[in-house]
This record gives sequence, C-alpha cells and structure tokens, in this order.
Amino acid sequence: GENVEQHPSTLSVQEGDSAVIKCTYSDSASNYFPWYKQELGKGPQLIIDIRSNVGEKKDQRIAVTLNKTAKHFSLHITETQPEDSAVYFCAASSNFGNEKLTFGTGTRLTIIP
Amino acid sequence: GAVVSQHPSRVICKSGTSVKIECRSLDFQATTMFWYRQFPKQSLMLMATSNEGSKATYEQGVEKDKFLINHASLTLSTLTVTSAHPEDSSFYICSAREIGTPGQQFFGPGTRLTVL
Repeated sequence: GENVEQHPSTLSVQEGDSAVIKCTYSDSASNYFPWYKQELGKGPQLIIDIRSNVGEKKDQRIAVTLNKTAKHFSLHITETQPEDSAVYFCAASSNFGNEKLTFGTGTRLTIIP
Repeated sequence: GAVVSQHPSRVICKSGTSVKIECRSLDFQATTMFWYRQFPKQSLMLMATSNEGSKATYEQGVEKDKFLINHASLTLSTLTVTSAHPEDSSFYICSAREIGTPGQQFFGPGTRLTVL
C-alpha cells in the first residue's frame, strides 16, 4: 500500500517569512495530493490540493509543487501570519479503488510574532 | 460549500455503553464517507470506508462488530462504538467525498469520545 512521509515534524518561522513542508510518497499510482490544516480540537481543513497532471498550483499565499518522477510534493506558505500556526498534513490517494487517503505524520507549524 | 457536520462534538460515557456518532454532508451529496480515528499528536488513521447503501469496508485491525457503520442516505453516515472501553477514548473524525469529485474529501469537526 501507499506510504507517505512528511518532514519536518515541527517548524518555527518568523512572522512574514516563508514555510516549506515536504512529503514523499511510495505508490506511483497515486494521483491526488491534498494538504490539510488542523487546528487544536478541530477537524482537518482542506487548504489546497493538486492532481498529477500539473506540477504546481497556487492560491494566494499558499502553493503546492509536485514532482512525479521523484514522488515528492511540497507545501509553500509565504508571508506567514500568526493564524497560520497549526498542524499541517499531506496526503495521497489514487483514482483507483475506493480512493482512500493516506496521510503523512503531520508538521506542527509555529509562527513567531 | 462542502460543509460536513458531526454530532455530538463531545461525549463522555461509562464503560460498556454504546455511543453513536453522526456525520452529515450539509450542502452536497456524498456516496462515500470515511471514518478516522486520531490519537493525541498523531496522524489520522482510517478506520473504514462507508458507501451509501452497501456494507462498510474496514481497515485491517479494525473490529467491524465493535465499530458499526451505517450509511443510510447520501448525506448521513453513523458510527456506533459498541460496548465502549477506556481504550476506545479518542478523537473520531468523518469525511465525505462529493459525487463527481474524485479524491477530494471534506472533514467534519470531529467527536471527542471519553470512556470512563
């Protein structure tokens, strides 16, 4: 089955700086890669996703890049703000079967004011 | 759009009782819903996949007789934790996938279960 690794596990950045979180996946059949933000005591919130037919996607301060050959994808947050502090999870799934998501282990992002 | 609700948000029960958690897609129809479990400071672990009108598919190691799942309509799935024990205490989260949007899942706010 799919295996998703995520790094780093914790990340602290100064407010206004950029943050980058990286994930690798093992199953070459995976073709959908979402990123979720989870605040304490809440469910994960989808913030951006990318499908394997594109290499990059951007939504305001958030961007995701995908390298299918190397089987890795990254989340980029620019101009970080205190409200960006949360746990971020990457995930991967394929269009085949029941399309279940395999999650990374999470990154706790702290924005230092 | 794409709002998923869960009820209750918190529940405390005595050991041996059963607890039902509801998951609803509020503004879309979901043929497939997923149930996850999350322990503190850990990632989400898929428990089962729930398809409307058919039996749920459980992940390896998840007891189907203990975690009963019913997906009676395109907007509602329920998880019943039967004969709950303290080790079942956890954060249970559901997600729903909208018809026609492969892969994309929207999550509910979660249910914190505490078994005394």
